[in-house]
Amino acid sequence: QSALTQPRSVSASPGQSVTISCSGTSSDVGAYNYVAWYRQYPDKAPKLLIFDVNLRPSGVPDRFSGSKSGNTASLTISGLQAEDEADYYCTSFAGRYSWIFGGGTRLTVL
Amino acid sequence: VELVESGGGVVRPGGSLRLSCATSGFRFNYYGMHWVRQTPGNDKGLEWVAFAHYDGTHNYYEDSVNGRFTISRDNSKSTVYLQMDSLRPEDTAVYYCAKDRYGSGTTFDYWGQGTLVAVSS
Repeated sequence: QSALTQPRSVSASPGQSVTISCSGTSSDVGAYNYVAWYRQYPDKAPKLLIFDVNLRPSGVPDRFSGSKSGNTASLTISGLQAEDEADYYCTSFAGRYSWIFGGGTRLTVL
Repeated sequence: VELVESGGGVVRPGGSLRLSCATSGFRFNYYGMHWVRQTPGNDKGLEWVAFAHYDGTHNYYEDSVNGRFTISRDNSKSTVYLQMDSLRPEDTAVYYCAKDRYGSGTTFDYWGQGTLVAVSS
């Protein structure tokens, strides 16, 4: 399968909101609610932010929210902080026991 | 929850490596386990590689590694392995082990720190 499509980069100022999209197909994002989002700092492991489209693990602030419409999932970060500057990846279950990732989005906090 | 990978290194094309991922802090035999890799450099894409059911009875692979890589687990040691044979330069990546949220495969929730595999002549 091809990777999920994310914007290469997004930027916003502290305190603002930003939304990162993750476009797939009817065979992955559109077919299953196993969509997740991860944040990754340089040379660090990814950290789970959102699972099952819109659920947050304990300890993740409610500034992070997820949604899905059709074949596109979205991550919204509100009240941007300097520490949010990182790479963000989406992933989806793609059936037949396979998983697919997005290409990643670099978030710059201006 | 802690996951610690080891076994990475430099290997020639056609060679083999065995990665290990020692875990602690959760009931290992309840959860599925994955290997995910990330290519180094500017295009740091993530790619799912392999998955093992909680009891090790069913394993699944990404198409490009199927037949060359083997995932296994030892529930008595809370450790998952990735045997990599017939390595190719395009297998060069940081390899992460990741815990699944359930036993049968849904989403990766905890990740190790990764181990670098470099395939080069």
